[in-house]
Amino acid sequence: DAKTTQPNSMESNEEEPVHLPCNHSTISGTDYIHWYRQLPSQGPEYVIHGLTSNVNNRMASLAIAEDRKSSTLILHRATLRDAAVYYCILRDLRGSQGNLIFGKGTKLSVKP
Amino acid sequence: DVKVTQSSRYLVKRTGEKVFLECVQDMDHENMFWYRQDPGLGLRLIYFSYDVKMKEKGDIPEGYSVSREKKERFSLILESASTNQTSMYLCASSFSLVYEQYFGPGTRLTVT
Repeated sequence: DAKTTQPNSMESNEEEPVHLPCNHSTISGTDYIHWYRQLPSQGPEYVIHGLTSNVNNRMASLAIAEDRKSSTLILHRATLRDAAVYYCILRDLRGSQGNLIFGKGTKLSVKP
Repeated sequence: DVKVTQSSRYLVKRTGEKVFLECVQDMDHENMFWYRQDPGLGLRLIYFSYDVKMKEKGDIPEGYSVSREKKERFSLILESASTNQTSMYLCASSFSLVYEQYFGPGTRLTVT
């Protein structure tokens, strides 16, 4: 799976939007962009994924650049419960193992 | 809601003991995974299974074995626990190898 680059940490205030960036300049045409998060002392949690178009679900939105070399996870109104490490992962659908390769991720802190 | 449960949140075992970690999913997923998570190393795949009684080695299978006798249950076995197997163990399941994975809460195993 191709490599991603994320900031080590970010801070946000409660109730404000959060934009978490991810660079993936070596993305291939068959790579999907997945986001997971991991709350303290819990297993990772799937957030959202996309290929080319922007995606929305109940948890977040995913904005994908036109050249697909970067993407942004958007939390529309951060809550204290959103404090977690967020991982941006590229997954090639041709892969046979299916395992997720987590990088260091971005640690998001949310201030009340 | 999707549910993956693991038999224990915390476990302390002695060197040389045989250790069983159990994982159960209620989503009728074909695929199940065992990872370990260590600081600075991210998640590493130990074994995965794509069907009952079928298993494949992941990136770090040495010292581990697995069992999948029923679709909903995937067990990780440490035949003779060693101190370097002290880690957080995470189980996950997915509908297919390329779909999102759902994780359990993790088992923090300490081998003394």
